[in-house]
Amino acid sequence: DAGVTQSPTHLIKTRGQQVTLRCSPISGHKSVSWYQQVLGQGPQFIFQYYEKEERGRGNFPDRFSARQFPNYSSELNVNALLLGDSALYLCASSPWTSGAETQYFGPGTRLLVL
Amino acid sequence: GQSLEQPSEVTAVEGAIVQINCTYQTSGFYGLSWYQQHDGGAPTFLSYNALDGLEETGRFSSFLSRSDSYGYLLLQELQMKDSASYFCAVRDDKLIFGAGTRLAVHP
Repeated sequence: DAGVTQSPTHLIKTRGQQVTLRCSPISGHKSVSWYQQVLGQGPQFIFQYYEKEERGRGNFPDRFSARQFPNYSSELNVNALLLGDSALYLCASSPWTSGAETQYFGPGTRLLVL
Repeated sequence: GQSLEQPSEVTAVEGAIVQINCTYQTSGFYGLSWYQQHDGGAPTFLSYNALDGLEETGRFSSFLSRSDSYGYLLLQELQMKDSASYFCAVRDDKLIFGAGTRLAVHP
């Protein structure tokens, strides 16, 4: 079975631009979460979506937004990019929204903002 | 505030045993997870403890003491391929990760 897939793998943008990152969860998984991982740090929670509804939001500015589609894939949008947005953006899927869940991570999108 | 503390680096030799500790302070708690991440790779799930005690999965074991807000990951019979970063993570209403422990295994 295919794991979590993300696109693109790498992206270079300039300050002020907008970016859209895409994620396809493991088949049958209805929950998708987004994380930002800065070099040398642990992943930081941005959003969780379950059954197309936002179920959680981390401490990120409103420039960050996301949505989940009927097929459970998801997009993360970041507007007005700042240099500090340079990071690895990870998508993770799981079968359910809470409890003893295992998060299955995709390979990530490495974003560089110049 | 919410915080997870774990050592930044640990070094060990092949065949040895290493323990990576994690203490946490969070507003809610459903359980403690451990993830492994190789350089350039994605985090992969290792273990989860919701209740006090030891969980064993092959060469890896994880322990939790809820009263002490403390857990650890125990790696036995270390192999070179175990060189990676290890993250503890607490689930309250979201998954909160520690900063990670970089494990270097030497011959």
